[in-house]
Amino acid sequence: EVQLVESGGGVVRPGGSLRLSCAASGFTFENYGMSWVRQAPGKGLEWVSGIGWSGGSSGYVDSVKGRFTISRDNAKNSLYLQMDSLRVEDTALYYCARLGSDYGSGSYGGGYYYMDVWGKGTTVTVSS
Amino acid sequence: QSVLTQPPSASGTPGQRVTISCSASNSNIGSKTVNWYQQVPGTAPKLLFYTEDQRPSGVPDRFSGSKSGTSASLAISGLQSEDEADYYCAAWDDTLNAWVFGGGTKLTVL
Repeated sequence: EVQLVESGGGVVRPGGSLRLSCAASGFTFENYGMSWVRQAPGKGLEWVSGIGWSGGSSGYVDSVKGRFTISRDNAKNSLYLQMDSLRVEDTALYYCARLGSDYGSGSYGGGYYYMDVWGKGTTVTVSS
Repeated sequence: QSVLTQPPSASGTPGQRVTISCSASNSNIGSKTVNWYQQVPGTAPKLLFYTEDQRPSGVPDRFSGSKSGTSASLAISGLQSEDEADYYCAAWDDTLNAWVFGGGTKLTVL
């Protein structure tokens, strides 16, 4: 069964750090780009970051640039998000998602890509 | 303010046809494919359509997707109670170099 399982969420003070993990199973992880998407309480979906299959390319939404770092370990079938200098507005449910494509493979974004597998999410709460 | 604009809500009675729109003013929809996601409250998003009108296996053919210029649409015919959910459109934005989502449309089955 294709599956993504997030972990590492918790409660942290503003300015603190957290490292999220996403464990992949049931597919060849190294063939796919991956992304993190978050959803603040009662709000919509927001893409946070993405990484290509090899880890050689990555991108971030402007609001987290310089604070969050995405990485992956293909040997461990795992995706990570290091979150530093956390702010109250980073409070959200964080999902990891696989990027599928019928015409290419391995990137985290672009035309003809789509997030086809999602985890159940891990909750991050930033509060004083 | 989302880059992609969706109506915040939509509704219909069982058996009716409902359409949800998604529009943008720049390159993120005009030149790129649009994907749709369904999120039942309390659960993770689920891919509903990709590349405008491609339906993943398991998605009923009551659902259909289309795109014209800088607008995309999701149509649900034969509305059922289990269709009650939030629906999001998404596209890759070349200008932002990021994925962008619509604000979401809450569909209520009356």
